[in-house]
Amino acid sequence: GQSLEQPSEVTAVEGAIVQINCTYQTSGFYGLSWYQQHDGGAPTFLSYNALDGLEETGRFSSFLSRSDSYGYLLLQELQMKDSASYFCAVRDLGASKIIFGSGTRLSIRP
Amino acid sequence: DVKVTQSSRYLVKRTGEKVFLECVQDMDHENMFWYRQDPGLGLRLIYFSYDVKMKEKGDIPEGYSVSREKKERFSLILESASTNQTSMYLCASYAVGGENTEAFFGQGTRLTVV
Repeated sequence: GQSLEQPSEVTAVEGAIVQINCTYQTSGFYGLSWYQQHDGGAPTFLSYNALDGLEETGRFSSFLSRSDSYGYLLLQELQMKDSASYFCAVRDLGASKIIFGSGTRLSIRP
Repeated sequence: DVKVTQSSRYLVKRTGEKVFLECVQDMDHENMFWYRQDPGLGLRLIYFSYDVKMKEKGDIPEGYSVSREKKERFSLILESASTNQTSMYLCASYAVGGENTEAFFGQGTRLTVV
């Protein structure tokens, strides 16, 4: 089966950089995705890594290393509005299902 | 603007009741999902459907069933609601095609079983 592990909570300071890690055990998947969820809201798609390496989208970057079964989301120039939960996710190769990690709650201090 | 709509934002039901949670998407997506979200446990997959009338069990299907009679609608059914099914329920959909994994979520239904 698939499992994805993330830290449950991360705290950072406004303006700083924070990295949220995701380690996974999976028999095969298309790529690693990241989603953001604000309190009371729905998860929204942030990024997708099909291949190993770094993908950058503005202040957010995502990294994947299949050989290490590891990925991360990097948030730069943190803003208070980045306070949210972040989930990594994979789409199973053999089926249509998407499996999510347990989520990381990011708290940002002024 | 793509949209996934869940029929209720908040529901309160009694133990033993049959509960229907409805989800409709307007993006012509083949794949639809039901997750439940509980603190510290992330999003756990209950059931998913990759086509009309097709369904697959996810990781926690016990106590639930689903129905997909039309492509745009995916219903989650709690046959006999229990207090341990009190949770946030999220519906999602995504399109088939390549390696696409961008799922679109509804706003969620917070179900309380008393």
